[in-house]
Amino acid sequence: SAVISQKPSRDICQRGTSLTIQCQVDSQVTMMFWYRQQPGQSLTLIATANQGSEATYESGFVIDKFPISRPNLTFSTLTVSNMSPEDSSIYLCSVATSFQETQYFGPGTRLLVL
Amino acid sequence: QQQVKQSPQSLIVQKGGISIINCAYENTAFDYFPWYQQFPGKGPALLIAIRPDVSEKKEGRFTISFNKSAKQFSLHIMDSQPGDSATYFCAATHQTGANNLFFGTGTRLTVIP
Repeated sequence: SAVISQKPSRDICQRGTSLTIQCQVDSQVTMMFWYRQQPGQSLTLIATANQGSEATYESGFVIDKFPISRPNLTFSTLTVSNMSPEDSSIYLCSVATSFQETQYFGPGTRLLVL
Repeated sequence: QQQVKQSPQSLIVQKGGISIINCAYENTAFDYFPWYQQFPGKGPALLIAIRPDVSEKKEGRFTISFNKSAKQFSLHIMDSQPGDSATYFCAATHQTGANNLFFGTGTRLTVIP
């Protein structure tokens, strides 16, 4: 399976600021996804990061709040904009090497907003 | 609306015992059912997965049982060990479609020595 890294691994941010999370894969992958996991909760898909085009967002998530970039087949970023304490979560990227393969997850970014 | 329902929320098992976690789904378009294991501070790791054309899949101490007509699947951990203590998530996806994973709510397993 692909090796996935995320930066930063954790951060503490002030309300109203923005944080960009990076996801790097050691091999080219077809699909990249961003999930949110609130403390003690399950995972919720934020969006599918599409290479060379706008991300596909799930219901309840919007581009202005969570802009996503995917400039190539091994890298994506998620920005959490204008943060509030409710954004405190673990943010995870996942990848799939092809359209019909399983997803593998990165280690996550633990975000605390004060 | 929760696409995948998972139970129990927490489970305590003695070392050597069998841990059983159950999941149910509604969307008949789902065609791939993975289980993920998550330790504190880590991302979910794929444990085992099944497609609906088989009723059971076994990998070591881990077995998935799948009942297509009932739209249910379960994870059995045989000879449970303290190192198995983690949160387990079932999931479902339509791989021939968008391949979005829909997760269950998770089961926190504690194996007592």
